[in-house]
Amino acid sequence: GAGVSQSPSNKVTEKGKDVELRCDPISGHTALYWYRQSLGQGLEFLIYFQGNSAPDKSGLPSDRFSAERTGGSVSTLTIQRTQQEDSAVYLCASSTGGFVEPQHFGDGTRLSIL
Amino acid sequence: DQQVKQNSPSLSVQEGRISILNCDYTNSMFDYFLWYKKYPAEGPTFLISISSIKDKNEDGRFTVFLNKSAKHLSLHIVPSQPGDSAVYFCAARVIYGGSQGNLIFGKGTKLSVKP
Repeated sequence: GAGVSQSPSNKVTEKGKDVELRCDPISGHTALYWYRQSLGQGLEFLIYFQGNSAPDKSGLPSDRFSAERTGGSVSTLTIQRTQQEDSAVYLCASSTGGFVEPQHFGDGTRLSIL
Repeated sequence: DQQVKQNSPSLSVQEGRISILNCDYTNSMFDYFLWYKKYPAEGPTFLISISSIKDKNEDGRFTVFLNKSAKHLSLHIVPSQPGDSAVYFCAARVIYGGSQGNLIFGKGTKLSVKP
């Protein structure tokens, strides 16, 4: 498709389990971002990939969170040993990498930890 | 400490009138600002942006104003339409040489446009 694609759209899991969230960016976009939105909050930056450069992981809330981007395209966000406070909508965005190019978002994965 | 603040969680406007959504920021290093619109169960959609070298940017019914001295920006929608009802997020970014920063978002303002 033409837009950013995220899967699954919804994920319910038990506390302590690991989860993987997938993002397929817009074709040709070199920059990829992960954000999360908790209830009643704005979007919180998690991690940023730009081309082949080392990712900016400064937003990851704990070492339970990790992400990778394979082949400069698809990205996977992994949360290990999930906690209830990890419940949120996880949003992926991509852009062309230009200085003033806007980020384009997918519809997110709604993660619920029981 | 919130660097981007949207102090009005909600706004209700009559169809055809002007909607004004406000945003304040604290980081003087921000030099690029964006507005996003979000419907329930969808991702944010880019609306309009402005760089710090400008004080106004217009796109159809949407105009963004930037007051750097006051660290304030606003989004004007005129005329407002029922389809504009959504949550609007203000976002800011630091652009420094050779790099592209992540976006810092406000908490959003829910706009309701009544027919």
